[in-house]
Amino acid sequence: LAKTTQPISMDSYEGQEVNITCSHNNIATNDYITWYQQFPSQGPRFIIQGYKTKVTNEVASLFIPADRKSSTLSLPRVSLSDTAVYYCLVGDVRYGGSQGNLIFGKGTKLSVKP
Amino acid sequence: NAGVTQTPKFRVLKTGQSMTLLCAQDMNHEYMYWYRQDPGMGLRLIHYSVGEGTTAKGEVPDGYNVSRLKKQNFLLGLESAAPSQTSVYFCASRARAGVNYEQYFGPGTRLTVT
Repeated sequence: LAKTTQPISMDSYEGQEVNITCSHNNIATNDYITWYQQFPSQGPRFIIQGYKTKVTNEVASLFIPADRKSSTLSLPRVSLSDTAVYYCLVGDVRYGGSQGNLIFGKGTKLSVKP
Repeated sequence: NAGVTQTPKFRVLKTGQSMTLLCAQDMNHEYMYWYRQDPGMGLRLIHYSVGEGTTAKGEVPDGYNVSRLKKQNFLLGLESAAPSQTSVYFCASRARAGVNYEQYFGPGTRLTVT
């Protein structure tokens, strides 16, 4: 399973764009990159997933360079309600068993200030 | 559509007592997971199931047992609780395939063992 490294914490202000970068140097060919968000006292919630290049949905964008050794989660115009912990996970999510087990690290604690 | 529900929400046990945590999902998902989350840490996988009647060990299975007699339910048992099992327990489920390979998490069970 590919190990991921992401900043422990980040601060931002309302209305700014926030970019959180995750390093995964030993990502395997079949691995996908997935980001989850977790608010205090709640279970994690899926944000976005990608394999290569760029993926965009209604809440975020995910940028993946050609070598796939890192990825960047971009949150446009954050608000106070985006204060949460963000997890970067790498794994072959096509499988729900041992091959697809996802490792949740400590994540990045994002604090959005007014 | 309730999604993933967990029972109970809170529980206090004395060392040596036993209990069962219940996870239920109404999305007809094949895969189900039990995680634990300790303060300031990410989630660690305890056990998982890739289908009715099947279970497998995750990263930290010792001291826990699981059963999946029905597709919609995944039970986590503690036969003899220890203070080290004080944690927040999250259940998750996932479809075998879909647009995204995302896990849906329950609200968590906060367990304290004294």
